[in-house]
Amino acid sequence: NAGVTQTPKFQVLKTGQSMTLQCAQDMNHEYMSWYRQDPGMGLRLIHYSVGAGITDQGEVPNGYNVSRSTTEDFPLRLLSAAPSQTSVYFCASSRIQGFQPQHFGDGTRLSIL
Amino acid sequence: DAKTTQPNSMESNEEEPVHLPCNHSTISGTDYIHWYRQLPSQGPEYVIHGLTSNVNNRMASLAIAEDRKSSTLILHRATLRDAAVYYCILRVNAGGTSYGKLTFGQGTILTVHP
Repeated sequence: NAGVTQTPKFQVLKTGQSMTLQCAQDMNHEYMSWYRQDPGMGLRLIHYSVGAGITDQGEVPNGYNVSRSTTEDFPLRLLSAAPSQTSVYFCASSRIQGFQPQHFGDGTRLSIL
Repeated sequence: DAKTTQPNSMESNEEEPVHLPCNHSTISGTDYIHWYRQLPSQGPEYVIHGLTSNVNNRMASLAIAEDRKSSTLILHRATLRDAAVYYCILRVNAGGTSYGKLTFGQGTILTVHP
């Protein structure tokens, strides 16, 4: 059981480049979300989805796009990377009904020069 | 949104109990209290949650004050692997579904000494 898988684990970008962070889960979870974590801080919600075709903004959505075409995948796109987006990105998933715990991936460490 | 207050750091010795406090004086009647922890270089991991009654699972116990304005996560015998950042989070009861967002504070850094 792989759980939540994030790729890549590390990435270095130049300012202005674009890239997609991948997130996949094999637990048939309806809810998926993306967080970013800056040094010494807690996680902040970027975007979330409650099912295929449904996405919404979290606390810090600017500069990021998401889509949810399947239950399993929830990619996060940076259209034009900025140094302020240097962070560790975590993807999470859970069932919707009841207070089900969220399962997190191991993160993608992104540096933007 | 109701907020939580936790100490920045705590220390413990291996094989001793650890009591991690959390204050949430503005909690509403339907907010669940969740605890997650984050080991170094890993994503957060669910620990336990509760509403009013004390809860136990294989990882920890959660003691909730009668007025629900505070709670305590109890690790009965700390191990070196328990060294992590522990987050106390209030989950809003969003009607019939529970995809209320997790709002992380800075948490408590737990150091466990051999």
